[in-house]
Amino acid sequence: NAGVTQTPKFRILKIGQSMTLQCAQDMNHNYMYWYRQDPGMGLKLIYYSVGAGITDKGEVPNGYNVSRSTTEDFPLRLELAAPSQTSVYFCASSYDGGVYGYTFGSGTRLTVV
Amino acid sequence: AQSVTQLDSQVPVFEEAPVELRCNYSSSVSVYLFWYVQYPNQGLQLLLKYLSGSTLVKGINGFEAEFNKSQTSFHLRKPSVHISDTAEYFCAVTAFSGGGADGLTFGKGTHLIIQP
Repeated sequence: NAGVTQTPKFRILKIGQSMTLQCAQDMNHNYMYWYRQDPGMGLKLIYYSVGAGITDKGEVPNGYNVSRSTTEDFPLRLELAAPSQTSVYFCASSYDGGVYGYTFGSGTRLTVV
Repeated sequence: AQSVTQLDSQVPVFEEAPVELRCNYSSSVSVYLFWYVQYPNQGLQLLLKYLSGSTLVKGINGFEAEFNKSQTSFHLRKPSVHISDTAEYFCAVTAFSGGGADGLTFGKGTHLIIQP
């Protein structure tokens, strides 16, 4: 089925470790987004991309990096994991910038211990 | 910049009763407004949106919302809820001028709890 695929679904990291959260979409969407969701806090935008080779910071970019070498893929990199990065991470994509709605992935639940 | 306030973190309702989930926004520019629903252990899916035109918008699963510019509100309603409506509901906004390209601003969410 067409959509946004996130891997892994769950991960436990130790403080200081690094990892990459993968996000891929097969709908030829130009716009892609990374959000984190913390209990009772809603979703906060980490990074976004309006097309291959173009990325920009969102509201909470510190401690994260992204790249967009292809239209399909938008990986999120955590370089030095900290307990404050324990969260559920959602990737989303849209055709038109989100005005007609995002397609969300099913999320990655990350715990940093 | 925009902000969204969802006034209730939890709303318990009996099955088949009506429900209203409240959302207020703040913005210095014209905005687009959205409601998303998140079922347990899933991503978010679009429930409905207001872009322009009629201030009463209808969405999926029998939900509707009314845009009130003077009160800067976009409350979500359903006349009769079902157990399957148990979920987290998020109100979101983006600036009209940006077309949403730089992302949505979400509220903190309202947990709708349907009691049998």
